[in-house]
Amino acid sequence: SQTIHQWPATLVQPVGSPLSLECTVEGTSNPNLYWYRQAAGRGLQLLFYSIGIGQISSEVPQNLSASRPQDRQFILSSKKLLLSDSGFYLCAWTVAAGGYEQFFGPGTRLTVL
Amino acid sequence: GESVGLHLPTLSVQEGDNSIINCAYSNSASDYFIWYKQESGKGPQFIIDIRSNMDKRQGQRVTVLLNKTVKHLSLQIAATQPGDSAVYFCAENTGGTSYGKLTFGQGTILTVHP
Repeated sequence: SQTIHQWPATLVQPVGSPLSLECTVEGTSNPNLYWYRQAAGRGLQLLFYSIGIGQISSEVPQNLSASRPQDRQFILSSKKLLLSDSGFYLCAWTVAAGGYEQFFGPGTRLTVL
Repeated sequence: GESVGLHLPTLSVQEGDNSIINCAYSNSASDYFIWYKQESGKGPQFIIDIRSNMDKRQGQRVTVLLNKTVKHLSLQIAATQPGDSAVYFCAENTGGTSYGKLTFGQGTILTVHP
């Protein structure tokens, strides 16, 4: 069966510090991968998606970047965090060919102080 | 994109009642729709999905209705239980070269009172 992991689960970082959030998927190959941010009491905003290793598409201009160094690894980064980067970050995957249901990870709660 | 507005819509029901959560979608080209349940501090969980060639689909205690004419989607939960309390999101996919991307609605908070 497929599983998706995110870490860390929670993170408190000062403004201006770097960020690295990791997402890994097990039990599937060549998934499409997605990063979302969810502000408190809000819906899900798609930040990045990837259809393959090294292939990253950005949905909104922002202070963050994403990378996919391996087939089942998706990383969200920032060189200098802003207060507005606080939120709940969710990684998701879907079958590349045909399926649309996205499977979500447990999320990372990021607080920037 | 991200939802706008300060507050999510809310629905309060008594345990045992049926619940109906509504969603209006924007893209007439969307061919796949999905409902997610999100409990506090957790990632969204799949509830049920439907393709545009259908107007109704049933699962265990849940039914999704699709009205393409008015671009409306609803989720019906039968015999609602306290464990159903969560935020419910609808999402749509436009197919084609969308690479599986989903566009999410703003969400509805369901509260079930014992």
